Amino acid sequence: NAGVTQTPKFQVLKTGQSMTLQCAQDMNHNSMYWYRQDPGMGLRLIYYSASEGTTDKGEVPNGYNVSRLNKREFSLRLESAAPSQTSVYFCASNEGTLNYGYTFGSGTRLTVV
Amino acid sequence: SQQGEEDPQALSIQEGENATMNCSYKTSINNLQWYRQNSGRGLVHLILIRSNEREKHSGRLRVTLDTSKKSSSLLITASRAADTASYFCASDRGSTLGRLYFGRGTQLTVWP
Repeated sequence: NAGVTQTPKFQVLKTGQSMTLQCAQDMNHNSMYWYRQDPGMGLRLIYYSASEGTTDKGEVPNGYNVSRLNKREFSLRLESAAPSQTSVYFCASNEGTLNYGYTFGSGTRLTVV
Repeated sequence: SQQGEEDPQALSIQEGENATMNCSYKTSINNLQWYRQNSGRGLVHLILIRSNEREKHSGRLRVTLDTSKKSSSLLITASRAADTASYFCASDRGSTLGRLYFGRGTQLTVWP
């Protein structure tokens, strides 16, 4: 029962570096999401994928790209990291309807210096 | 902007007391959900209430929804130290696409 697995758990980047955050779920869920959590801001949606092969922007997509590699995997890429992207990133999935809640990963704590 | 606004931002109580957290939202919804987040962990789904429901129970949790006031409340009865966490409400803003929009959360501390 792994649920949603995120890697890495921690990362420090220098400004301008790139990296990809990985997310995989083993629940056969259709929809996957990337959120960022900043102190006092709650969670804000970056990108989501309603089904395999589709991706859409959320509230704060600038500076990010995503790839829905297959039904299990949804990656988030920072092409040129900026200090403003210092945050905790959460991946989540659900079966794609409003009938059930999300299952969240344990998060990636990213610091950009 | 934040769809859900939890109130209070922080709540501190003794074990055995009840904890009530409120959430307001701005647009129509299909459902509203509550999540818990322990320090340094991911969010865990607690309960979902649909727009045509007024009250829902799950163990020591009771959620109410008042769509006329665009508000919801989460009641935790007989709180325990293990209930110490942040609690978030999330709404779908009336969308059927499965996206959720989260509030800023209430930090609940339960003292032994």
